[in-house]
Amino acid sequence: DVKVTQSSRYLVKRTGEKVFLECVQDMDHENMFWYRQDPGLGLRLIYFSYDVKMKEKGDIPEGYSVSREKKERFSLILESASTNQTSMYLCASRTDRGFEKLFFGSGTQLSVL
Amino acid sequence: DAKTTQPNSMESNEEEPVHLPCNHSTISGTDYIHWYRQLPSQGPEYVIHGLTSNVNNRMASLAIAEDRKSSTLILHRATLRDAAVYYCIRSGTSYGKLTFGQGTILTVHP
Repeated sequence: DVKVTQSSRYLVKRTGEKVFLECVQDMDHENMFWYRQDPGLGLRLIYFSYDVKMKEKGDIPEGYSVSREKKERFSLILESASTNQTSMYLCASRTDRGFEKLFFGSGTQLSVL
Repeated sequence: DAKTTQPNSMESNEEEPVHLPCNHSTISGTDYIHWYRQLPSQGPEYVIHGLTSNVNNRMASLAIAEDRKSSTLILHRATLRDAAVYYCIRSGTSYGKLTFGQGTILTVHP
């Protein structure tokens, strides 16, 4: 089975800190995604990457950046964390060889104080 | 803009069929319809997808209207483990972004 692993289940950071959320997948998938999930708003796409060193903005990229130096790893970076970035962050991956389903990690609950 | 519309919540009794509707009236001819569900404290998981024809798999069935402006996810016999948020999504390419909406919260009563 495909495994998408997010480095932390819970994370607490202070306002202004630089935050790295790491995601690793073990199935050689080309596409990787970062979503955030907030009550009443569903999942919203922050960034996605369709290959190494490639990235595209999703629907809410402001305040975030990403890094994809290796195929298996996709990092979400909060350059200066703010309280409105307190959220559940979900990583997903997928192959681009024809239609394939998304595989999600279990999520990282980030609290910014 | 999720481009699909789903009821906020639905309820069902255990072992009864559940029909979860989704409206996607602006769908284009090449957009797929996907369904995912999210169990408590987990990331979403794939359920089923289709383009034009009805689809079946071990988890569910997907019935797509002839004009493709709506679809229905069918759980043939709901169990307590099916209680989750169900998301209906449309997407046009195999690697394009998938935009999730708020989904439908399904409650299953014993």
